[in-house]
Amino acid sequence: QSALTQPASVSGSPGQSITISCTGTSSDVGGYNYVSWYQQHPGKAPKLMIYDVSNRPSGVSNRFSGSKSGNTASLTISGLQAEDEADYYCSSYISSSTLVFGGGTKLTVL
Amino acid sequence: QVQLQESGPGLVKPSQTLSLTCTVSGGSISSGGYYWSWIRQHPGKGLEWIGYIYYSGSTYYNPSLKSRVTISVDTSKNQFSLKLSSVTAADTAVYYCARASVLIGMMLFDIWGQGTMVTVSS
Repeated sequence: QSALTQPASVSGSPGQSITISCTGTSSDVGGYNYVSWYQQHPGKAPKLMIYDVSNRPSGVSNRFSGSKSGNTASLTISGLQAEDEADYYCSSYISSSTLVFGGGTKLTVL
Repeated sequence: QVQLQESGPGLVKPSQTLSLTCTVSGGSISSGGYYWSWIRQHPGKGLEWIGYIYYSGSTYYNPSLKSRVTISVDTSKNQFSLKLSSVTAADTAVYYCARASVLIGMMLFDIWGQGTMVTVSS
């Protein structure tokens, strides 16, 4: 199973919106509505931000939203804040209860 | 509040077996709806799913690691463990244990341990 494809880096200014893409195939992202997104600050464990493409866990800001079109899922962060600067990873369920992560995207808040 | 804590040697010699344990506190590992997971992160790199186990003992592994990985569960101790055999320097990474929920979604990692760094070196 190959890692899902994410841009290595994205950047934005405070208050702006950014979108991070996560591209897979019809066997993973495109085949299931089971994409999750994780935020990881340096030296910390990842934190779940979005699950099942567009659902937010309790406690996650509504500035974070997810969507999917075909084989590409997207994470959008609106009203960018300094504390959003982190690495972001997508993951997708594959068949037979296995899953795969994306390569990660470094978000820089300018 | 469920918490996970990894434990095990921080240094393993090449060709030996890496062994880590994750202790679950604040909840029972036998609760249905959760898969108990191992994930690793090579230095400066992305996340790699290793595998997970259900409390019943059913296991699922990353095909790329399957031949070297064993994940087991000890419900009496509320722990699950990872064994990775024939390690090389390429197995040097931070190893996380995590809880994968299928209750509110599908295989979402909602609780993570703090991670433990394992270095493979002679």
